[in-house]
Amino acid sequence: DVKVTQSSRYLVKRTGEKVFLECVQDMDHENMFWYRQDPGLGLRLIYFSYDVKMKEKGDIPEGYSVSREKKERFSLILESASTNQTSMYLCASSFFDSHNQPQHFGDGTRLSIL
Amino acid sequence: DQQVKQNSPSLSVQEGRISILNCDYTNSMFDYFLWYKKYPAEGPTFLISISSIKDKNEDGRFTVFLNKSAKHLSLHIVPSQPGDSAVYFCAAQVIGIEGAQKLVFGQGTRLTINP
Repeated sequence: DVKVTQSSRYLVKRTGEKVFLECVQDMDHENMFWYRQDPGLGLRLIYFSYDVKMKEKGDIPEGYSVSREKKERFSLILESASTNQTSMYLCASSFFDSHNQPQHFGDGTRLSIL
Repeated sequence: DQQVKQNSPSLSVQEGRISILNCDYTNSMFDYFLWYKKYPAEGPTFLISISSIKDKNEDGRFTVFLNKSAKHLSLHIVPSQPGDSAVYFCAAQVIGIEGAQKLVFGQGTRLTINP
């Protein structure tokens, strides 16, 4: 079974802090993704990576950065946290050629910025 | 602009009846469509998918229909069971210039199955 593990289920941080969210997958997937889920907006793609050290902006990258130093690990960084970044963050992974193999998700990190 | 839309935020269905969840999209470049199911405090899990060259795909109680001319897809669950109560997300796939697949998600529909 594919396992995507997010380091924290719940996180509370203060405005202005630098926040790191970590994600690890154990299936040797090339692609990794970070989404945020907000009520009424569904899942929106923040950043994704299709290879080590490669990163591409998604639909809402402002205020975020990412790091992929190893194939299995993808980190999301909030450079200076703001209250509008309070959300559920979801990490996903998939094979590069994945028409028949969908993205697999972690259980999410609920982040609150005070 | 919302490229994938689920216009019903919620749906309530009697146990044993059919549940029909709908999804509309605007981008003709989408080549694959997926449905994910999400329970509270868990990540979304893949349910069923359909290629843009097909109009129907069936897997047990779940069937997805695609109407390309109307840019519309639907998920049918028959018969509905209490364990089907969850939020359902429709997603559409597009391949980026780098070759990686990306998904665009709808807003989700909360399905409640009543005993």
